[in-house]
Amino acid sequence: QSALTQPPSASGSPGQSVTISCTGTSSDIGGYKYVSWYQQHPGKAPKLMIYEVSERPSGVPDRISGSKSGNTASLTVSGLQAEDEADYYCSSYAGSNFVLFGGGTKLTVL
Amino acid sequence: EVQLVESGGGLVKPGASLRLSCAASGFTVNDAWMSWVRQVPGKGLEWVGLLRRRASGGTPEYAASVKGRFTISRDVSQNTLYLQMSSLKTEDTGVYYCATDRGWLTFDCWGQGTPVTVSS
Repeated sequence: QSALTQPPSASGSPGQSVTISCTGTSSDIGGYKYVSWYQQHPGKAPKLMIYEVSERPSGVPDRISGSKSGNTASLTVSGLQAEDEADYYCSSYAGSNFVLFGGGTKLTVL
Repeated sequence: EVQLVESGGGLVKPGASLRLSCAASGFTVNDAWMSWVRQVPGKGLEWVGLLRRRASGGTPEYAASVKGRFTISRDVSQNTLYLQMSSLKTEDTGVYYCATDRGWLTFDCWGQGTPVTVSS
């Protein structure tokens, strides 16, 4: 199984919104509601930002949101702040106790 | 507070073995689904394997790339998860993270990672 496809980079100015896509297949994203998004700052561990497509863990601001349509999931960061600059990874359950990750998207706040 | 601390990484030659540890606090490793995830330098994340909580059978599952070479186990008395790696290959190089699984391989708590370099 191939990794999920993410754009390598995305950018936006402070206060703007940016959306990062994550494309898979009917065997992963399209087949399950278990899509997650992780934020990773340089030298740090990943942090769960979104689970089950659109749910936010406690402490994650509501300007972070997720959605899914068909085989593509999306992460939207609204009201961009400097602290949002990081790498973002999507993941999807792919059946048979297996999970796929995306290649990551570097978000730059201009 | 849930906390995970990995250790045991290092530089080894191809074909060697290495055991990574993940010391847990704030919960009991016997009661949690846990996974190892690795990150190749400058690249993305790759799931390595999981260990079910005892109540769910306590059995492991592995990614195809490591099956037969890696073994995940736990020591309840030490509240620690382990990753025993053998027949290491250069492509096993990366930072290895342990993580708790809130369900369906969704990782809600991560350790800080321990680096493994496999090189001759």
